[in-house]
Parts: sequence; C-alpha cells; structure tokens
Amino acid sequence: NAGVMQNPRHLVRRRGQEARLRCSPMKGHSHVYWYRQLPEEGLKFMVYLQKENIIDESGMPKERFSAEFPKEGPSILRIQQVVRGDSAAYFCASSPSTGWTNEQFFGPGTRLTVL
Amino acid sequence: SQQGEEDPQALSIQEGENATMNCSYKTSINNLQWYRQNSGRGLVHLILIRSNEREKHSGRLRVTLDTSKKSSSLLITASRAADTASYFCATDVSNDMRFGAGTRLTVKP
Repeated sequence: NAGVMQNPRHLVRRRGQEARLRCSPMKGHSHVYWYRQLPEEGLKFMVYLQKENIIDESGMPKERFSAEFPKEGPSILRIQQVVRGDSAAYFCASSPSTGWTNEQFFGPGTRLTVL
Repeated sequence: SQQGEEDPQALSIQEGENATMNCSYKTSINNLQWYRQNSGRGLVHLILIRSNEREKHSGRLRVTLDTSKKSSSLLITASRAADTASYFCATDVSNDMRFGAGTRLTVKP
C-alpha cells in the first residue's frame, strides 16, 4: 500500500507563473489536507477537502490560491501568478475518515521556489 | 512518513489539572514542533522548539527538549475542556517532516 504521493517534489517557477501541486492520497482515503511550511516554521493549515467538496478553507489565502479534490485523480493545489513569498514547502496529508483519527498520513512535500 | 513515539497514546484528566505528553525520536533534528488536531480538522501548529533550545513557553503551554535523550515533552497547565484534542509532535530532519502517532487528550469538565 503506497503512502501519500506528491509531485513534483521540487518545483521552480518565475514570478507571475502558475504552480500546480499534486497529491495522491493513500488508497482508501477520502480526506485530504494541505499545509504550507515556510523555512524554519511549523506547518500552517491551508485547506481540508473531501472528494469533490471543500470542507474547510480557512487557512487558504483569498486570492491566487485554489484547491480541488475531484472524484477521480489527485488533489490539486493551484497557485496563480506566483510571488517570491509563495516559496515554501507544501505538504498534503490524507486520512480515511473524520472523527477521532489519530493519524494523518503525510506526503513528502513539494518544495516550491519562486525566482 | 510517520515516525517517533508519543506517550501516552491516550490521556484523560479533569479540568484544571495539568496534562503532560512525551515524544521521543530517533535521529538528529533541526527543530521539533507540537501540533493539535481537533476532531475532523487539520493540524494546528502550537509551538516550535529549535535543537539548541531547551525550554519554551506559550501561554499555558510549556515545551522542553532534551536532545541527549532525543525526547520532548508538552505540558498544558490548568487544562480546559476545550483542550480536548489529539496532540502530535513532529521533527524536522533536513527538511523532511516526521510525525508521531499522537496522544489523544480528553479533558472532562
């Protein structure tokens, strides 16, 4: 059973370009969380999705950022018109259900560098 | 990937009591972080302690780090029912985040 997969692992973009980050949850998991980690800081929650639904996007910047988790395929975090401040590591995690789940299974992260 | 061990796995206390959770890890780290997860929600970052720090406070939270023993503790003083959640430690190892399995804390009113 493969773990959470994220690709690409490293992504370089120039200011103004778009960044698309993909997350494939573990098999059987229908919940996905996205987090952003700035250098030397902790993870900050961005968005929580179930299949075809955004449950909580309270941590998502209002502009340029969007996320989806379609019925088929990976979850996508999309950043339009990237700026240098978007440079960070972006982690996704999946879990099988809500309620008292002690574990979110994390992917290896995508490190975005904006030149 | 998940690694690290936290104990206890579950902790139940009365409101007003202190709660202590421990975390052990295996490799050298850049920093160690503690997170809270309420039921069905994402992780919320509580506190980060760097490898050259021994103790850190934030409100009712106190975190210690002992790099010689590769262990950390999170103390929540004067607990409240709203502190009921799962608490995770995570280690930052060369930009690779590793999480423990968590401690489920229940604070009874």
